[in-house]
Amino acid sequence: DTGVSQDPRHKITKRGQNVTFRCDPISEHNRLYWYRQTLGQGPEFLTYFQNEAQLEKSRLLSDRFSAERPKGSFSTLEIQRTEQGDSAMYLCASSAALNSGNTIYFGEGSWLTVV
Amino acid sequence: DQQVKQNSPSLSVQEGRISILNCDYTNSMFDYFLWYKKYPAEGPTFLISISSIKDKNEDGRFTVFLNKSAKHLSLHIVPSQPGDSAVYFCAASDGGTSYGKLTFGQGTILTVHP
Repeated sequence: DTGVSQDPRHKITKRGQNVTFRCDPISEHNRLYWYRQTLGQGPEFLTYFQNEAQLEKSRLLSDRFSAERPKGSFSTLEIQRTEQGDSAMYLCASSAALNSGNTIYFGEGSWLTVV
Repeated sequence: DQQVKQNSPSLSVQEGRISILNCDYTNSMFDYFLWYKKYPAEGPTFLISISSIKDKNEDGRFTVFLNKSAKHLSLHIVPSQPGDSAVYFCAASDGGTSYGKLTFGQGTILTVHP
């Protein structure tokens, strides 16, 4: 399967712990995005990378959140000192190049439950 | 500030009939629009898209219509099938270097009855 891959699919953690999610985009895609979705809402943009450069971060991305894409391939999203409000599905997506018209493909998502 | 709105939380149709899902937007800078389908506990699956230079795009049973003057788009599914039952999201992008930074609506739950 050559789609966007996310790991782990589910994570239950205690409040205050750190968690890390990994995303492997479609191999030829140089753009990678992170979104967050809570129940009853559409996905909300968090951040995106062009190759290894993080080009934009949403104000939703507090200083407890950090994302990296060290070699322009896979990406990690770390949440430090988790809070119950961080419980959500974290979605990774990728696309080719810069031009409109390139489809954005999403992964299966990583469910986070903070207890 | 909800820039993309799907005002119908749910829609129920009979198998074989047409499903019409609607979406309104407020940001006139949006120039690319996408529809995604989502099952519970899965990521969104791309269905169809349309550029602002067009007013219609068709792919099999799915057709998207764009009315720029009304800032309105709709997704038509004909004929509807029970397997189409899912949550449908419309999304918009203002293109340029921010392409891929999508703004999503809240979603519409479509139920197709056999």
